[in-house]
Amino acid sequence: GQNIDQPTEMTATEGAIVQINCTYQTSGFNGLFWYQQHAGEAPTFLSYNVLDGLEEKGRFSSFLSRSKGYSYLLLKELQMKDSASYLCAVMDSNYQLIWGAGTKLIIKP
Amino acid sequence: DGGITQSPKYLFRKEGQNVTLSCEQNLNHDAMYWYRQDPGQGLRLIYYSQIVNDFQKGDIAEGYSVSREKKESFPLTVTSAQKNPTAFYLCASTGLAGEVETQYFGPGTRLLVL
Repeated sequence: GQNIDQPTEMTATEGAIVQINCTYQTSGFNGLFWYQQHAGEAPTFLSYNVLDGLEEKGRFSSFLSRSKGYSYLLLKELQMKDSASYLCAVMDSNYQLIWGAGTKLIIKP
Repeated sequence: DGGITQSPKYLFRKEGQNVTLSCEQNLNHDAMYWYRQDPGQGLRLIYYSQIVNDFQKGDIAEGYSVSREKKESFPLTVTSAQKNPTAFYLCASTGLAGEVETQYFGPGTRLLVL
């Protein structure tokens, strides 16, 4: 079966750095997405990786290793507004998105 | 401003009742999707539509129905056959974010059973 694993919850301090991991087993791979979702709101697109390596976008970076079935989202200079759930999703061979359950990130002052 | 709208924000369903969730987009996107989100679980695909007058079942279509009569609209009906409908329902469409084709989401409808 297809499976995406992420930690359920993480806590970090304002101004610090946090890394949210995602491992996946899917039938085929056509890219990995990270979304941010504030409580009760819609997910919003953060990043996309289809080749191995690091993609940097401001305070957020995303890394992919296809051979290991592994990705991480790195958030730097954490701000209170970064408190949200972070969803990892993989596009499979049928171009459908398979979603992880999300990681709830709690930022403390 | 272009975007996806969903209504209502909250919806209450009584036993044996069918309810319809609205989803409208003015992004000129062809593909639209309905997901269900439950606590502790990933988004699960209910139905999707790649083009007007055509739609496909997702992973959990039982107890739901959809129509796609217009490009802009993709309503979801939760029928009485869906025994556990309490969830957060998200509508999405596919479009370009820069060079990446990704999904854009509406604000969601929270369905509660009375």
